Amino acid sequence: DTEVTQTPKHLVMGMTNKKSLKCEQHMGHRAMYWYKQKAKKPPELMFVYSYEKLSINESVPSRFSPECPNSSLLNLHLHALQPEDSALYLCASSQDPRGGVNTEAFFGQGTRLTVV
Amino acid sequence: AQSVTQPDIHITVSEGASLELRCNYSYGATPYLFWYVQSPGQGLQLLLKYFSGDTLVQGIKGFEAEFKRSQSSFNLRKPSVHWSDAAEYFCAVAGYGGATNKLIFGTGTLLAVQP
Repeated sequence: DTEVTQTPKHLVMGMTNKKSLKCEQHMGHRAMYWYKQKAKKPPELMFVYSYEKLSINESVPSRFSPECPNSSLLNLHLHALQPEDSALYLCASSQDPRGGVNTEAFFGQGTRLTVV
Repeated sequence: AQSVTQPDIHITVSEGASLELRCNYSYGATPYLFWYVQSPGQGLQLLLKYFSGDTLVQGIKGFEAEFKRSQSSFNLRKPSVHWSDAAEYFCAVAGYGGATNKLIFGTGTLLAVQP
């Protein structure tokens, strides 16, 4: 199983709503990531969890709140978002964030988020 | 600082023609290099990777890439393009030792395939 599964695939939310994005992998990877991708742009790193601990926060606004309940799951809690936060949110995982042989990031299909 | 440059924003090729997508990197040590493909509205799929060893690497879907240290390049090639290859292609470099928490993407090349 080399899949990273993200739910939901599409999400429309109002600026006062609270919603969550979910990501799951069963490859035994110990690093999980959230990326944000705007149209016609490359993915931008938001957060990195390494061994279930937050290791990198790329100065993301607090209206985005990540959570890693266990080594297979990664959530992104959303609250009071702005229309400019509309984007494709990608989850990824890798064997070990520190690198080494066979390191590569596997990406999910993404959640298309629209903030209205 | 690490960086990746993909000089071609948009490329159009005819079906059956050969393809080469350019990627140049800036990195102080031996780079860990990747090519990813993204279909519209989809996630990224890894095509191939280079860590060390043979500088010509084979990937999925008939793609290959050649690492040239002297030119700081990692160009992606395919001898005969299929219509299903139309997508966005991203070159990426990982951090020291392949640290994927430092994965840096190029700006992407959008490939269109003419019948």
